[in-house]
Amino acid sequence: DTGVSQDPRHKITKRGQNVTFRCDPISEHNRLYWYRQTLGQGPEFLTYFQNEAQLEKSRLLSDRFSAERPKGSFSTLEIQRTEQGDSAMYLCASSLVTAGDGTQYFGPGTRLLVL
Amino acid sequence: KQEVTQIPAALSVPEGENLVLNCSFTDSAIYNLQWFRQDPGKGLTSLLLIQSSQREQTSGRLNASLDKSSGRSTLYIAASQPGDSATYLCAVRSGDQGGKLIFGQGTELSVKP
Repeated sequence: DTGVSQDPRHKITKRGQNVTFRCDPISEHNRLYWYRQTLGQGPEFLTYFQNEAQLEKSRLLSDRFSAERPKGSFSTLEIQRTEQGDSAMYLCASSLVTAGDGTQYFGPGTRLLVL
Repeated sequence: KQEVTQIPAALSVPEGENLVLNCSFTDSAIYNLQWFRQDPGKGLTSLLLIQSSQREQTSGRLNASLDKSSGRSTLYIAASQPGDSATYLCAVRSGDQGGKLIFGQGTELSVKP
């Protein structure tokens, strides 16, 4: 399977705990994006990387959120001191910007439930 | 600030009908527009991408049009099937080829057999 993969697919945690999600993009894709989607809404942009550089962060990404892409391949999204409002689907996407039309390809998502 | 709106929020049609989903955006300075399909609890599947210089794109029974000046796009689905039941999302990209996507809230489509 050469698509975008995310791990874990589901996460249940208690309020105040830290969680970390992983995204593996399509091989050779240089841009990687994180979005958050709540029930009944479209995805909202959180942040994106070109290779290992984080180019843009949304205001939605509070100080409790941090994302990394240390070697320009996989990325991690960490949420510290989780709150019930963090419950959502966290989606990762990747694209190849140097060629083609920049189509973003999405992974299956990580569904987070904060109790 | 770019805002994307999709109407209707939900749509139910009998099998075989042709249908149109609407998407509007407030800032016409877009790079391209992408339509996605999302099945319940799943990720997004890209359906069509229209560059800002294009008027439409077709893939099988799907046809997407773009009128950048009026800030509108439509997704036309011909001869709908129960398997088309899903949420359809449109998203616009401003800035460059690799910029972030701004999504609408989606249209939930149900095709009844």
